[in-house]
Amino acid sequence: EAQVTQNPRYLITVTGKKLTVTCSQNMNHEYMSWYRQDPGLGLRQIYYSMNVEVTDKGDVPEGYKVSRKEKRNFPLILESPSPNQTSLYFCACSRWLAGGRNEQFFGPGTRLTVL
Amino acid sequence: DAKTTQPTSMDCAEGRAANLPCNHSTISGNEYVYWYRQIHSQGPQYIIHGLKNNETNEMASLIITEDRKSSTLILPHATLRDTAVYYCIAEGGANSKLTFGKGITLSVRP
Repeated sequence: EAQVTQNPRYLITVTGKKLTVTCSQNMNHEYMSWYRQDPGLGLRQIYYSMNVEVTDKGDVPEGYKVSRKEKRNFPLILESPSPNQTSLYFCACSRWLAGGRNEQFFGPGTRLTVL
Repeated sequence: DAKTTQPTSMDCAEGRAANLPCNHSTISGNEYVYWYRQIHSQGPQYIIHGLKNNETNEMASLIITEDRKSSTLILPHATLRDTAVYYCIAEGGANSKLTFGKGITLSVRP
């Protein structure tokens, strides 16, 4: 079954304690991305990766790091989390197909609370 | 990237067609119109996309005006499970970046 998995699904942590949210996809897609979703602000892109070893900033990259050492994995790293990073996080992957089909597949989400 | 505008919310009766409008008056010639939906706090789900022509798949139909400045997503027979936030997105697509706005909340009533 084609899927995007994220771990953990729920996390409560404290300010400054480094954490990593993992994302893995089994569809062999080149493109992967991280979004955060906050009430009233919609989904905002944090980082994206066009392929292995190629990453770039999205709209709200401050306070986050990513890496893309393998095609299937795209972890999101918070080196020193702060309360304003409390949010719902989604990982997504996609592959550009002929005819404009740009179907992004999203993971189930990770709800992060930083105290 | 073209900006889209959608009403904040709408509702429809179960079994009836739901017509969700979207304005994208600044869309450029190479930008596609995509529709996604998000049920509660799940990850968004792709519904349909189009460039110029009307499109239909098993989930919905997409009607794009001739000038491409607006479009309508049609759910032909809405069910309670279609209650969700629906996002209309206009993007070039080649770099796979999708800019999600606030979407429209569709409530399907029994």
